[in-house]
Amino acid sequence: DTAVSQTPKYLVTQMGNDKSIKCEQNLGHDTMYWYKQDSKKFLKIMFSYNNKELIINETVPNRFSPKSPDKAHLNLHINSLELGDSAVYFCASSQDRGAGGGHEQFFGPGTRLTVL
Amino acid sequence: AQKVTQAQTEISVVEKEDVTLDCVYETRDTTYYLFWYKQPPSGELVFLIRRNSFDEQNEISGRYSWNFQKSTSSFNFTITASQVVDSAVYFCALLEPYDKVIFGPGTSLSVIP
Repeated sequence: DTAVSQTPKYLVTQMGNDKSIKCEQNLGHDTMYWYKQDSKKFLKIMFSYNNKELIINETVPNRFSPKSPDKAHLNLHINSLELGDSAVYFCASSQDRGAGGGHEQFFGPGTRLTVL
Repeated sequence: AQKVTQAQTEISVVEKEDVTLDCVYETRDTTYYLFWYKQPPSGELVFLIRRNSFDEQNEISGRYSWNFQKSTSSFNFTITASQVVDSAVYFCALLEPYDKVIFGPGTSLSVIP
């Protein structure tokens, strides 16, 4: 059973297009995240949701919009894609951070986005 | 401000050698959590260990061991008798309560047969 799944695994698209990445976790976790990993392997958080509520919103262009229909799903929609958006995007989840967090995160397999 | 430094960008060792990956962190909090993750060539991120700031006991798991020293703000990771399957990028990470995880830049380990 896959704990955190993402679709698609690969996404190749033209500049200016709009695309979405879907994420689902079956771990019963309350908190989900989106991370961006650039070509130098730097991992940076983009967003975090706790029980469908946005709790972390880093300095990310507003072309990126996360949506959490329920606590098991966190999707990422990207408008007007740019060359610099090419990266690997990871979804992750962890147990409730309401008590101060500290729990490890479990990551999805990643979505490699290539913008041409 | 939180910061994680992994000074070794790339390390190469010959199989069966021991190797230590360094991690130095900065935090203002007395309560915090430290993690190590492994990213093999296949790309997934695998959780290895979690430590909270009140538990300075070293940990051993098979060929892996971790040395946590608050006095030097370090959380180093040693692989004993390295194997080719250990080749990966290893990330150290820091979390302050109610805040976001900060990842270090990663250390790329190559184990040569």
